Amino acid sequence: DAGVTQSPTHLIKTRGQQVTLRCSPKSGHDTVSWYQQALGQGPQFIFQYYEEEERQRGNFPDRFSGHQFPNYSSELNVNALLLGDSALYLCASSVRKGTAITSNEKLFFGSGTQLSVL
Amino acid sequence: GNSVTQMEGPVTLSEEAFLTINCTYTATGYPSLFWYVQYPGEGLQLLLKATKADDKGSNKGFEATYRKETTSFHLEKGSVQVSDSAVYFCALSDSRQTGANNLFFGTGTRLTVIP
Repeated sequence: DAGVTQSPTHLIKTRGQQVTLRCSPKSGHDTVSWYQQALGQGPQFIFQYYEEEERQRGNFPDRFSGHQFPNYSSELNVNALLLGDSALYLCASSVRKGTAITSNEKLFFGSGTQLSVL
Repeated sequence: GNSVTQMEGPVTLSEEAFLTINCTYTATGYPSLFWYVQYPGEGLQLLLKATKADDKGSNKGFEATYRKETTSFHLEKGSVQVSDSAVYFCALSDSRQTGANNLFFGTGTRLTVIP
């Protein structure tokens, strides 16, 4: 049973460019959350997707957008890249049952995509 | 608002030494508290959790007790091993208060255990 998979593992971009990161959730999971982890910091919540819609959002600008597909996989898009966007981007998946809030105890993280903006 | 303050590292210990990593939190309600571990090149893994005051979470010899009076959730292990070398993150979720289930993380503490 594959866990959460993210691609690519590493990426180098220049300022002003756009980037797309991808995530496949753990089998059986339907909810995907994205986190940004700057060097030496803890992960910060970007947003969460369920049923192909953004359900929650952290304190990130509109340059950060996402998408969820019918197979539950997800993309994170960042436009107009800044040097400060350099970070490890983590995807986490979980199960949301009906209208119940997903239990964080069952949150599974991928290994992340390391984005470097030059 | 919600925040987590974690003991700064790095921490270097000899094998079989006692470990304490301090964590205190600020939350608007009654959060659930977590410790996550990140081994080199791997994703975050849940180490243990506690969902209400006085609960003790435990796993793999690690323990942490939810202390509401001191707003703390310190991580302890009686005898560390080289394989425990990793970065440890304290985190909280305030879903019962806010309805949102995202995690707030501390800055992480890097632990290195030497033989």
